[in-house]
Formats: sequence, structure tokens, C-alpha cells
Amino acid sequence: DAKTTQPTSMDCAEGRAANLPCNHSTISGNEYVYWYRQIHSQGPQYIIHGLKNNETNEMASLIITEDRKSSTLILPHATLRDTAVYYCIVRPASGNTPLVFGKGTRLSVIA
Amino acid sequence: DSGVTQTPKHLITATGQRVTLRCSPRSGDLSVYWYQQSLDQGLQFLIQYYNGEERAKGNILERFSAQQFPDLHSELNLSSLELGDSALYFCASATNQETQYFGPGTRLLVL
Repeated sequence: DAKTTQPTSMDCAEGRAANLPCNHSTISGNEYVYWYRQIHSQGPQYIIHGLKNNETNEMASLIITEDRKSSTLILPHATLRDTAVYYCIVRPASGNTPLVFGKGTRLSVIA
Repeated sequence: DSGVTQTPKHLITATGQRVTLRCSPRSGDLSVYWYQQSLDQGLQFLIQYYNGEERAKGNILERFSAQQFPDLHSELNLSSLELGDSALYFCASATNQETQYFGPGTRLLVL
């Protein structure tokens, strides 16, 4: 079972920041938080991951709370092409392990 | 473009038949993962190979098998196909750094 809880769906106006929350209250100290998204039946696309520090890349920012029990993925200026299902996944830091996908959040960016 | 390729893109076959799905990982990636995505089950891990050896098994049916070849490409074999096997099949590859990159998938339709 997925170890994360995400809202089923969210809307965001085009050009505004999209803030996608994720609860992972049972995360352990050696587990990363990963974010992927899936645009309309395409292969899941890696976005970003982090352990305890906030992270930023060209796609998004990841804010992890100090207790690590929740995080927020931020798309700073959402576009229509960001409409997708976003998955928050917790996985161990060591070794290659499979991803356990939950149902994710369906983000709709509205013009 | 993730660098992971999958063939074929689409496959239509009949119940009872056998098909082979192919995955070529990103250059240098030793791990290959297979996932199945059906409408009612979401994205589910099937099996993982690392440098030619089976590393982990998920919810893979006995009718399904996989292998990874010396050139690191992988094949997923599905036999005695049933209507319920209709799904998207994704492979992902990873290095020891663990971030998985997904291919575009194969859409299988069993009639």
C-alpha cells in the first residue's frame, strides 16, 4: 500500500502557482520523498525528490516540513501542459527498490 | 524524452495468445522495472531486474515472465492472455542513484 495521502483532485489557474500537498506521516529517517507526474497515459515523468532539505530544479520546488511528515510540490507558474496526475511516493534511500504508486492528485490547470 | 524506449507502442491480440514487450533502458542503467497500469488497479509493480538478474517481484502473475539480456534490454512475456490483461505496461530504468525514468509504455488490448 502507498504510504502517502494526497487530495484526489485540485484546480489551478494558468500562470498561478500550483501547490500540491502530500501527507507521509509514517515516513522513516532513511526514506526519500519522490514526485512523479503522468500526463494522459504517458509514462510517469520524474519531477523531483528530497530527503529533508527543500529542493528546487527547473520543473518544481519541493518543500518538506521539519518533522518530514508532509511535503508540498510547487509548480511556480502552472501552464495548461502541467495538467496531469501527480504522485507523491516515499521510498527507501538505499538500494534500487520499486515505486509504490497511490492514486495521486489530478491537477487541472484552467485557462 | 526519458531515454527509455519501449516497443511496440500498441498491441492488439486475442485471448489465449502470447505477446512479448520490449524495453531498452537508458544508456548505463543496470536496473529495469516493469509496471502495469490498468483502469481499476492503477500503477502496479511487476518485476525488477538488475544487470541480468531478477531482483524483486511484485504482483506478477505466473502467466507472465521477464528477462534481462546481456545488452541490458528487457522483455516481458505475457502468455495465455485474458481480457483483464488489457492495460498499459511501462518499463523504467535506473542507475545506482535510484531515480527511475519511465518509457512511453505499451498499450495492450486483449479481445
